[in-house]
Amino acid sequence: DVKVTQSSRYLVKRTGEKVFLECVQDMDHENMFWYRQDPGLGLRLIYFSYDVKMKEKGDIPEGYSVSREKKERFSLILESASTNQTSMYLCASRSRGRVAPSTDTQYFGPGTRLTVL
Amino acid sequence: GESVGLHLPTLSVQEGDNSIINCAYSNSASDYFIWYKQESGKGPQFIIDIRSNMDKRQGQRVTVLLNKTVKHLSLQIAATQPGDSAVYFCAEKTGGGNKLTFGTGTQLKVEL
Repeated sequence: DVKVTQSSRYLVKRTGEKVFLECVQDMDHENMFWYRQDPGLGLRLIYFSYDVKMKEKGDIPEGYSVSREKKERFSLILESASTNQTSMYLCASRSRGRVAPSTDTQYFGPGTRLTVL
Repeated sequence: GESVGLHLPTLSVQEGDNSIINCAYSNSASDYFIWYKQESGKGPQFIIDIRSNMDKRQGQRVTVLLNKTVKHLSLQIAATQPGDSAVYFCAEKTGGGNKLTFGTGTQLKVEL
C-alpha cells in the first residue's frame, strides 16, 4: 500500500512566521503535489514536483515555495504566513512508472490543518 | 472555464440502501476520472477510477458509471453502511498532464 505521511496533523502559527510543512512517501513515486482545501472551493493545486529538484507552479502558488531535495520528501514553505493561508494542506504522490507501475491516481496524506493567527 | 461539479451537496440514505452520488464534468477531452472518499479530519482516500474508454467499472460494493454523451459520472455504493459516511468527490484528468481537477464534494450521511 502507498503510504504518504505529513509531519503534523495540526499546526498553529503567527502572522509573519516562516512555516515548513513536510511530506514523505514510501513508494518511490516520481511525482508529488501540494494542495490546499477550503470549504466550497475543493482542492486547489499549489505546487507539484515531477522529480528531485524539479518543481512547477500550480494554480495558486503565491505566498508559497517548495523544496524537493530527496525523492521521498516534498516540503511546502510559507515564507511569511498570513491569516488567509489558514487552511487544510494536503500532500499527494503519484507514480510515473520508473519503479512502480505508472498510474494517474494520486494518493493523499492525512493532511495538516494550519491555523495562522 | 472548465469545471467539475456535483448535483447535490448533501445526500442522506438509510443504512442498507444503495447510494448514488453524481458528478458533472464539462471538459469532453478528460480521459481519466477518480472518486475519492474523505472522512472528517482525514485526507482523501482513493475509491475507484475509470478511463474514458470504459463506461462502467466495479469494485468492492462500489460501481462507477461514465456517460460521455452527457458528461456525467456517478458513484454507486451498494448496501450503504455507517462507515460510508463521508464527503465524496470526483476528479478528472485531461490529456497527458499531471494535474487533476477536483469537484467540491457531496456529503453522504447514513442514517440508522
